Amino acid sequence: QSVLTQPPSASGTPGQRVTISCSGGSSNIGSNTVDWYQQFPGTAPKLLIYKNNQRPSGVPDRFSGSKSGTSASLAISGLQSEDEADYYCAAWDGSLNGVVFGGGTKLTVL
Amino acid sequence: EVQVVESGGDLVKSGGSLRLSCAVSGLSFSHAWMSWVRQAPGKGLEWVARIKGGGGTTDYPAPVNGRFTISRDDSKNMVYLQMNSLQIEDTAVYYCTHIIVDPGAAGHWGQGTLVTVSS
Repeated sequence: QSVLTQPPSASGTPGQRVTISCSGGSSNIGSNTVDWYQQFPGTAPKLLIYKNNQRPSGVPDRFSGSKSGTSASLAISGLQSEDEADYYCAAWDGSLNGVVFGGGTKLTVL
Repeated sequence: EVQVVESGGDLVKSGGSLRLSCAVSGLSFSHAWMSWVRQAPGKGLEWVARIKGGGGTTDYPAPVNGRFTISRDDSKNMVYLQMNSLQIEDTAVYYCTHIIVDPGAAGHWGQGTLVTVSS
């Protein structure tokens, strides 16, 4: 059981806009910033969004993040087949004194 | 270019110990915050340990606290994870990561090293 809650799956068609939610509590998302990771099968995760809505160099602006209260969202616009991957949210949890992850969302491009 | 390379993964019996190593290059290592994140087969990501730069303060989650120890050798640009009293549920791919933004945004990852704990 993950501390942060994500839907196990999401899907969309090419060109569509898809959002993935991440729900937490006051000790994590409610009081700290959220990061998002993308992972393809058999490879290491890659940082997609940090500090709620910042993109590392090289990440397309099709990817965006937002946070409100104890929830966060990752939005992917102009969906492409190569976006099919697992997506994880993460945040520092002040009560647990550590990073907590969501369970991951498998994105399928139909 | 930042490079992170893990090594040391192996098959070990329950109750045993193992030390993972992580070689880092391409950054000012002594100030770098580093962490270990693991992923059990077919499962999600789980944070395992963090060590800050410039002093080496460490943090661990409850499941590994007291069993795992993260350390660093700034003279060699190395990070280590000493794992004791290993349990079957510790079986996972272990990733070494460089935290680019505190407290935990991992901007650089290694390829991972597999630890398998058998009964």
